[in-house]
Amino acid sequence: GAGVSQTPSNKVTEKGKYVELRCDPISGHTALYWYRQSLGQGPEFLIYFQGTGAADDSGLPNDRFFAVRPEGSVSTLKIQRTERGDSAVYLCASSLRPGQSYNEQFFGPGTRLTVL
Amino acid sequence: KNQVEQSPQSLIILEGKNCTLQCNYTVSPFSNLRWYKQDTGRGPVSLTIMTFSENTKSNGRYTATLDADTKQSSLHITASQLSDSASYICVVSLASGGSYIPTFGRGTSLIVHP
Repeated sequence: GAGVSQTPSNKVTEKGKYVELRCDPISGHTALYWYRQSLGQGPEFLIYFQGTGAADDSGLPNDRFFAVRPEGSVSTLKIQRTERGDSAVYLCASSLRPGQSYNEQFFGPGTRLTVL
Repeated sequence: KNQVEQSPQSLIILEGKNCTLQCNYTVSPFSNLRWYKQDTGRGPVSLTIMTFSENTKSNGRYTATLDADTKQSSLHITASQLSDSASYICVVSLASGGSYIPTFGRGTSLIVHP
């Protein structure tokens, strides 16, 4: 595709429910990143994939958060037992080469998650 | 702890005026620094990138400077336009074991009035 796409654009759920957020990176980009952005804050790093494997998941806040990228392309961020504090915009980004911080990350528009 | 601090938090200027946004960081060992522009409801878009050996980089009306000794960067916007209204985020990357570990600032919210 022309850019990084994320679905859904908005997700409203109830406390305790399970949600999945999807990211389609730019075709051919091997590196994929998930971030969380709260209102008035900068993006907070969650996890980084190099191909199919999670190269760095140090930003995941707790074990309710999990992400997969089974075929090295599309990624899904999964949140179990959602809490109100999980409400934020979840951004996905991809870049051409893995493990190189010089490579520009291209961001998707984000998924706005609201936990009631 | 690696931190990126930006100032001011918000800024309102008139169309056509210039402005400068500041970024101070404590990230070490330093790899590179990027400035991103984030329009409301959109993902950030990279404006400039600088490594420790570069002290200035321009992209149209945007000019970024970097002083790696004092760990300060600035983004200067010349002849502002209404479309410059956005959040500007400073991002510093840590060189650590080949893994990309970015630290984002909170951003400066810029509003350009006609």
